[in-house]
Amino acid sequence: QAGLTQPPSVSKGLRQTATVTCTGSSNNIGRQGAAWLQQHQGHPPKLLSYRNNDRPSGISERVSASRSGNTASLTITGLQPEDEGDYYCSAWDRGLSAWVFGGGTKLTVL
Amino acid sequence: QVQLVQSGAEVKKPGASVKVSCEPSGYPFTAYYIHWVRQAPGQELEWMGLINPNDDGTNYAREFQGRLTITSDTSIKTAYMELTSLKSDDTAVYYCAREGTGAFDHWGQGTLVTVSS
Repeated sequence: QAGLTQPPSVSKGLRQTATVTCTGSSNNIGRQGAAWLQQHQGHPPKLLSYRNNDRPSGISERVSASRSGNTASLTITGLQPEDEGDYYCSAWDRGLSAWVFGGGTKLTVL
Repeated sequence: QVQLVQSGAEVKKPGASVKVSCEPSGYPFTAYYIHWVRQAPGQELEWMGLINPNDDGTNYAREFQGRLTITSDTSIKTAYMELTSLKSDDTAVYYCAREGTGAFDHWGQGTLVTVSS
């Protein structure tokens, strides 16, 4: 059972904006925020965002992240076909002394 | 550039053990923690544990305590994950990942471990 809660799926149209949420607790997201990963079928995950809204080099400016209380959000604007995939949030949980992931959200670009 | 290269796929019988290697390159081996994360078919990511290659300190997820051992060999700049007493639901892709700036910033290509009689 995932430690963080994500919606199973999000569907949006081409060039629209999609937002994926990730709800945790004061032991994880509420303390240190979340990182976001993108995974395409058959490939390892790729880091999209860390420390809530820092992007690794090479990640599109269309990707942004934020946090409000115990909930983190990932927003992708101007959706493109290549944005389809699974998105995971992750955070260090102070209570568990362990890293936790969300259950993943499948993003479909219509 | 940073790369993490893992060993190849394994097929094991229930009750056996598996040891997967992870060889990072492109950065000082002892400067970053290495984590192991697994993903069962069609399932979410599951954190297993980590090692600090600088001092071999480890931290394991509660679910794997007693079955999991993560080690590193600084002489050959390689990290290892060994899982014992394998069961069918250990069938998964096992990834190593580097922890940088509080996130998993580089990942290995994954190693499929199949547990089947």
